Parts: sequence; structure tokens; C-alpha cells
Amino acid sequence: NAGVTQTPKFQVLKTGQSMTLQCAQDMNHNSMYWYRQDPGMGLRLIYYSASEGTTDKGEVPNGYNVSRLNKREFSLRLESAAPSQTSVYFCASSEAVGLGYEQYFGPGTRLTVT
Amino acid sequence: QKEVEQNSGPLSVPEGAIASLNCTYSDRVSQSFFWYRQYSGKSPELIMSIYSNGDKEDGRFTAQLNKASQYVSLLIRDSQPSDSATYLCAVNTGNQFYFGTGTSLTVIP
Repeated sequence: NAGVTQTPKFQVLKTGQSMTLQCAQDMNHNSMYWYRQDPGMGLRLIYYSASEGTTDKGEVPNGYNVSRLNKREFSLRLESAAPSQTSVYFCASSEAVGLGYEQYFGPGTRLTVT
Repeated sequence: QKEVEQNSGPLSVPEGAIASLNCTYSDRVSQSFFWYRQYSGKSPELIMSIYSNGDKEDGRFTAQLNKASQYVSLLIRDSQPSDSATYLCAVNTGNQFYFGTGTSLTVIP
């Protein structure tokens, strides 16, 4: 049981390049999330998917697109990378527990845009 | 805008002492509350969840929730140097999570 996995671990892009961050979970969770974490800003939600086939914008969706490929996989795409997208990106999945949900994170992707 | 506020610290305690971390939240509808530990360069790790008013204990960790005051806290007893990390408070409303910016804790040997 690997939990939440992300690829790549590190990436350097030039301004204007595109890339896709991959995320997969093997816990059979319905909901999946993409966050970015910047110093002093905490974790900010980019997009989430409450279930297979659905996606919704979070707090900071501009410049990103997502695909919920199936129940296991949720990818994040940067179409034209900008230096402001330099950040650490975390994928997470969650399961219903009692009245709420518990959320688990992948190891992260450290992205630098030059 | 749902807000989760934490004192950013840094908080320093001697080894063996009790570390107390605090968090307030703005959305009264919030149902579930969490504490995550994040070591430098690593991802957040869920260490405590609490859903009802009162205390919940798990080993050296105790989470306390007061929904009337919109306040959640984490106590770490017998603090160890390995507890040195940033602690994130999180609040769940529906299927979204809202995070504080974290409190940096250093346990001094």
C-alpha cells in the first residue's frame, strides 16, 4: 500500500514550457486534491475532484488545468509555466470518516520556473 | 473566505516539557479538525483528528476542541527533539480543507 504517489519529485522549467504533474492513490478514496505550498502562504487549494469525473476550482486555479483520469489518478497541468508558479505541489486524497473526511498527502513535487 | 489562524511562532520548548499549539477558525459550520506535522522538505503527515468538543488523546498528543469558541489546540507532552517540525491546523467543511500557515516548533535538547 503506497498511499499517494507523485511524479516527478523535482522539475525545472523555463517560462512558457508546459508540463503535467502526476498523482495516484491506491487507497480507493473518492476525493483528490492539488495544493501548492509557498513560504508564509500555507497550503492553498488549486483544484479538487470530489469523485471520478468531476473537478472543481479551488482558491488559486489560474494557470492550471486538471484531469481526473480514473478513481486512482488525478493530474495537474501547467500549460505555459510562469515564475510565479515556482512552488511545492502536493497531491492529496481523502476518505469519509465519521462526520467528516481525513486527508493524506503525497511526497510533493518541487517545481522551479526560471 | 474561510480562515484558519495559527501563531506562526517559532515556539521553543525544552526537551521533556509540554508544547501547546493553538488554532482558531472562522467557519462555524466546520465539522472536522486536524493537526498535521510537517518536517522540513517533507509532506504534511496527519497526526490527530478530532470531531467533537472535548479532548482526544493519542500517546503523547492531546487535541482539544471548543466549537463554541471556534478553537482547537494540540498539546505535546514529554516533548522530544524529533517533535521539532511545523504543525499545521486544518479544518474540514464539506469535502474541502482549509489550512493555517503553521506553527514552527523547536524542542531544545
